[in-house]
Amino acid sequence: DAGVIQSPRHEVTEMGQEVTLRCKPISGHDYLFWYRQTMMRGLELLIYFNNNVPIDDSGMPEDRFSAKMPNASFSTLKIQPSEPRDSAVYFCASSLAPRDLIPRITDTQYFGPGTRLTVL
Amino acid sequence: QKEVEQDPGPLSVPEGAIVSLNCTYSNSAFQYFMWYRQYSRKGPELLMYTYSSGNKEDGRFTAQVDKSSKYISLFIRDSQPSDSATYLCAMKTGGGADGLTFGKGTHLIIQP
Repeated sequence: DAGVIQSPRHEVTEMGQEVTLRCKPISGHDYLFWYRQTMMRGLELLIYFNNNVPIDDSGMPEDRFSAKMPNASFSTLKIQPSEPRDSAVYFCASSLAPRDLIPRITDTQYFGPGTRLTVL
Repeated sequence: QKEVEQDPGPLSVPEGAIVSLNCTYSNSAFQYFMWYRQYSRKGPELLMYTYSSGNKEDGRFTAQVDKSSKYISLFIRDSQPSDSATYLCAMKTGGGADGLTFGKGTHLIIQP
């Protein structure tokens, strides 16, 4: 399995531009998560989907951020307009739906390599 | 107070030493606890996954949870230079596929 795939790996843009980050989850996974990582705040959950439906978007910082999952194999995170404070590493993760409440390594989240975003 | 507190380090120890990494948390509803390892410029990868209080061992790694103290630990025995990375604790309240709450991570350096 190729694992979670993210593109681009690096993005440098100017303030005010639209940025689109892409994610392909592991095939067969039911859940997809978007996280943001900064030195100041660490790794924070932005939004997650179950079977392509957004379940919790309470971590999305403001209306400039939007996420979609049009099908089971693709998701986007869009920032419009971008600001310098959006500079961070954005991770996508995917997981299976747990069969029960017993923790299994296979049930937890597998992370992609991240997209390093720099907004000038 | 942040929900999960973790000393950012860096923590530097000689090869072969036993390493102890810790997190404290404030939300007593957390029941599922994980440790992730993150190498520089890579995504986090899962090391250990435990439920409620107790110990779990996997090779050189032991995860310990003390829910009464809201304190979790990861021990690494016979540490190797390849263990040098950032270690993040993560936790969630339910057994379902919820989003994780992470500590900021501890940067660990194993000196050859």
